[in-house]
Amino acid sequence: LAKTTQPISMDSYEGQEVNITCSHNNIATNDYITWYQQFPSQGPRFIIQGYKTKVTNEVASLFIPADRKSSTLSLPRVSLSDTAVYYCLVGDLDYKLSFGAGTTVTVRA
Amino acid sequence: DAGVTQSPTHLIKTRGQQVTLRCSPISGHKSVSWYQQVLGQGPQFIFQYYEKEERGRGNFPDRFSARQFPNYSSELNVNALLLGDSALYLCASSPTGSEQYFGPGTRLTVT
Repeated sequence: LAKTTQPISMDSYEGQEVNITCSHNNIATNDYITWYQQFPSQGPRFIIQGYKTKVTNEVASLFIPADRKSSTLSLPRVSLSDTAVYYCLVGDLDYKLSFGAGTTVTVRA
Repeated sequence: DAGVTQSPTHLIKTRGQQVTLRCSPISGHKSVSWYQQVLGQGPQFIFQYYEKEERGRGNFPDRFSARQFPNYSSELNVNALLLGDSALYLCASSPTGSEQYFGPGTRLTVT
């Protein structure tokens, strides 16, 4: 499984855009990039998944450069309720999710 | 639709005891996975079951076992509990195995 590196924590303010970059230098050809969000005392929640270029859904965008060695999760106009831990996962579309320590995002008023 | 449900919510056990945790997947999902999350760390994969067959096992000792029933619900059993088994145990279901939907977890405390 490709190892991922992401910042331990990030601070932001309401209404700002938050960008979290994940490094995955050893990503394999078959690997996808997936982001999960986790609130305290809850299970992780799927946010977005992509293979290359850009993916956008109703909550986030995922930017993947051509070499796929990194990716950036973009959260537009965050609110206090976006305070959570965000995990970057890299792997093929199998069942064995491998979570790192994640990035704790704190949104302040 | 109801999400993944887990029981009990919280549990306190003594070292050496055995514990059984239960999970009901989202209706129609045939895959159930179990994860252990120690405080301050990301979830770690324990098992996956698909159509009642074990499809994968993480790096956990044989004290950990699981099974899936014909209705696709699942149980995770942990024998001979250690203090280090204290964690949040998460169950996730999926129609196939890739995109997974997590339950709220069972908080196990071993004293």
